[in-house]
Parts: sequence; structure tokens; C-alpha cells
Amino acid sequence: NAGVTQTPKFRVLKTGQSMTLLCAQDMNHEYMYWYRQDPGMGLRLIHYSVGEGTTAKGEVPDGYNVSRLKKQNFLLGLESAAPSQTSVYFCASTGTGELFFGEGSRLTVL
Amino acid sequence: ELKVEQNPLFLSMQEGKNYTIYCNYSTTSDRLYWYRQDPGKSLESLFVLLSNGAVKQEGRLMASLDTKARLSTLHITAAVHDLSATYFCAVVGETSGSRLTFGEGTQLTVNP
Repeated sequence: NAGVTQTPKFRVLKTGQSMTLLCAQDMNHEYMYWYRQDPGMGLRLIHYSVGEGTTAKGEVPDGYNVSRLKKQNFLLGLESAAPSQTSVYFCASTGTGELFFGEGSRLTVL
Repeated sequence: ELKVEQNPLFLSMQEGKNYTIYCNYSTTSDRLYWYRQDPGKSLESLFVLLSNGAVKQEGRLMASLDTKARLSTLHITAAVHDLSATYFCAVVGETSGSRLTFGEGTQLTVNP
């Protein structure tokens, strides 16, 4: 049972480049989330989804887009990366209780 | 807007001592979570607290929830070095849908 899997785990981008982070869960969870973690700031919610085909903005959505075309996958896109988006990104999913996290994706924007 | 505050943010303690981490939140809540994070790692679920007066214990850690005071505590008993990590509380507000709001985290260092 893989749980929540994020790819890639590390990525370096140049300012202005685009990329997509993939989150996959095999627990048939309805709810999926993307958070970013910066030093001293805890985790902040970027976007989330309450089911296949739905997405909603979180606390810090600017500069990011998401899609949930399949229930098991939640994609986070950066259309034009900026140095301020250098962070560790965590995906999480839940049914009705415990939140399960992926291992994180470390993104550096130069 | 739901706000979650933890204190202290940094805690250095000696092995064998007891201490408490506090988590205050600003609106009524459906449930509260405690997580542990080791450097460079993901978050590990410790406790889920669902109701007023809930108390859960695992090893040297005990968590409690007082929904009337909007306060949760994480109590550490007889600390050992292996407990060194960052601890986060996270809250689902009653009007937040399914969104968790995290505190800033408490960085705990247990010294021999």
C-alpha cells in the first residue's frame, strides 16, 4: 500500500519556467490538498479538492493552478515559476479522519 | 478566519523532564490533529482529537482537547532524545469544510 506518492521529489527551475507536481493516492480518498512549507511558517494551504472534478483555493493560491481529473490524482502546476515559490510542497489526502501526507517535493526556483 | 497559535515555538529541555506544548485556536472546531516532523521528512500523525475533553496517550506523549477554551495541549513526560522533532497542531474549523489550518510548529530539542 503506497499511500500518498509525490513526484518529483526534487526539482530546480529557472524563473519563468513551468512545471507540474503530481500527487497520487491509493486509498480512495475524496479530499486532497496541496500545502507549502517554508521555514518558521508551518504549512499553508495552496489549493484543495473535495472530490473528482472539484478544486478550491486555499490560503495562498496565487501563482498556482490545480486539477483533479481522476479521483486518485491531484496535480499542482506552476505556470511561470518565481523565486518566492521556492519551498517544500506536501500533498495530503483524507477520507473522513486522519490526514495522510506524501513525502514532500523540494522545489528551488533560481 | 481561523488562526492557530502554538507556544512555545522553540523548546530545549533535558532528558527526564516534563513539559507541555500549547495550541490555541480562534474559532470553534470539529477536530484537532497533532503531527510530528523530523528534519527533511514528512509529517507523521500522532493524535486526532474529536471532542471536548478528549485525551489520548501514546508512550511519553499525551494530548488533550478543551473545545470551550479552544485549547489543546501536548504533554511530554520524562523526555528522551528521540522525541527531538518539530510538533505541529492543526485544526479543522466548523466552517472550514475539510481544510486544516496549521500552527507554526514547536521545535523541540531534548538534550542528554
